[in-house]
Amino acid sequence: GNSVTQMEGPVTLSEEAFLTINCTYTATGYPSLFWYVQYPGEGLQLLLKATKADDKGSNKGFEATYRKETTSFHLEKGSVQVSDSAVYFCALRPSNQGGKLIFGQGTELSVKP
Amino acid sequence: ETGVTQTPRHLVMGMTNKKSLKCEQHLGHNAMYWYKQSAKKPLELMFVYNFKEQTENNSVPSRFSPECPNSSHLFLHLHTLQPEDSALYLCASSQDVQRGGSPLHFGNGTRLTVT
Repeated sequence: GNSVTQMEGPVTLSEEAFLTINCTYTATGYPSLFWYVQYPGEGLQLLLKATKADDKGSNKGFEATYRKETTSFHLEKGSVQVSDSAVYFCALRPSNQGGKLIFGQGTELSVKP
Repeated sequence: ETGVTQTPRHLVMGMTNKKSLKCEQHLGHNAMYWYKQSAKKPLELMFVYNFKEQTENNSVPSRFSPECPNSSHLFLHLHTLQPEDSALYLCASSQDVQRGGSPLHFGNGTRLTVT
């Protein structure tokens, strides 16, 4: 079946540190991959996406590359800020199951000044 | 207003009450979704509507009853809920269910507490 596995949190970093949040997936066919972010008290916001192998999604300094050979979509940022503190969700949308977005369990990031 | 709007933001209800959650999207999308977010658990897809027709019911108990009168509005009617139904209920929309690369846009959710 289709599934998403994220590294467990919480992740605590100092400001300006390098961030990696690991995400691996299991899927048939060619899914689209997404990272969503949820700030406290809010819904999920799309952070970035990639729709085919080797695509790189990027937004607000965050990047993730669709790696089909390792079935991974790791989220990275070179220098985190306190305002990046949030919960990050990796998700996939199967190519043959219209509409269904399958989420990982989320990784909480806390950035300290 | 733009985006996806959910009301109310917070709801406290007893197990014998009947209440409804409302979602409205101003994005011109044709697909709408209900998700449940419980603490320490992945988001759970509940229902999917595409062009007002329900295309997925993810084995949701009948005490949750969705309604989609048009592509811009989605309701979740609640009755005789249990305390374990307390969660954040998120509404989302997308262009349609057929476009795999089309992202979902989420509302801020309704925080439901069942007492």
